[in-house]
Amino acid sequence: AQSVTQLDSQVPVFEEAPVELRCNYSSSVSVYLFWYVQYPNQGLQLLLKYLSGSTLVKGINGFEAEFNKSQTSFHLRKPSVHISDTAEYFCAVSDRYNQGGKLIFGQGTELSVKP
Amino acid sequence: AAGVIQSPRHLIKEKRETATLKCYPIPRHDTVYWYQQGPGQDPQFLISFYEKMQSDKGSIPDRFSAQQFSDYHSELNMSSLELGDSALYFCASFKGSSRGMETQYFGPGTRLLVL
Repeated sequence: AQSVTQLDSQVPVFEEAPVELRCNYSSSVSVYLFWYVQYPNQGLQLLLKYLSGSTLVKGINGFEAEFNKSQTSFHLRKPSVHISDTAEYFCAVSDRYNQGGKLIFGQGTELSVKP
Repeated sequence: AAGVIQSPRHLIKEKRETATLKCYPIPRHDTVYWYQQGPGQDPQFLISFYEKMQSDKGSIPDRFSAQQFSDYHSELNMSSLELGDSALYFCASFKGSSRGMETQYFGPGTRLLVL
């Protein structure tokens, strides 16, 4: 079984400041890792994913994340945020050996970018 | 590009009524997932189908049933609705027959309100 913990439920930050949203996971098997963004009253949009290879993954909208196997973490970062990045961010995992398996989500982090 | 279509987008029902939610996956995607996202909650996996067969089951109440049809669209049937069923219901589609790890693409969701 897998579980995901997002360490911060809310992250307020000023525009153009850097941000890091933290995600830790627990799993008895190897996993794939994802970050999704949910804008108000909208669906989930994939930001980036880690499947294999380089542990630094670049996604859309200037976001990147680094997979750290020893710390079982997959933190999301952006060097300079915009007002439009205000949204809910979800970290998720799926079982690597069950291709097409369900996603297990973290509790979400609400990113609020202030002018 | 075609995306996942869900209908209806909004639904209001009374307690003890029934509801049917529909999901039309991306063309050539053969796998459908259903997730439930309660207010302020993370999405929770309900059930999935691959090639018209149930492939996995999560925390889906016995009052709910689902199926995938020959054209790969899926329907989630909810009976004896309760206030606690009020949530955003997402469908995600996936190409399970592909090599490597494709991405689950989420629909915009159906917002169900039970009064």
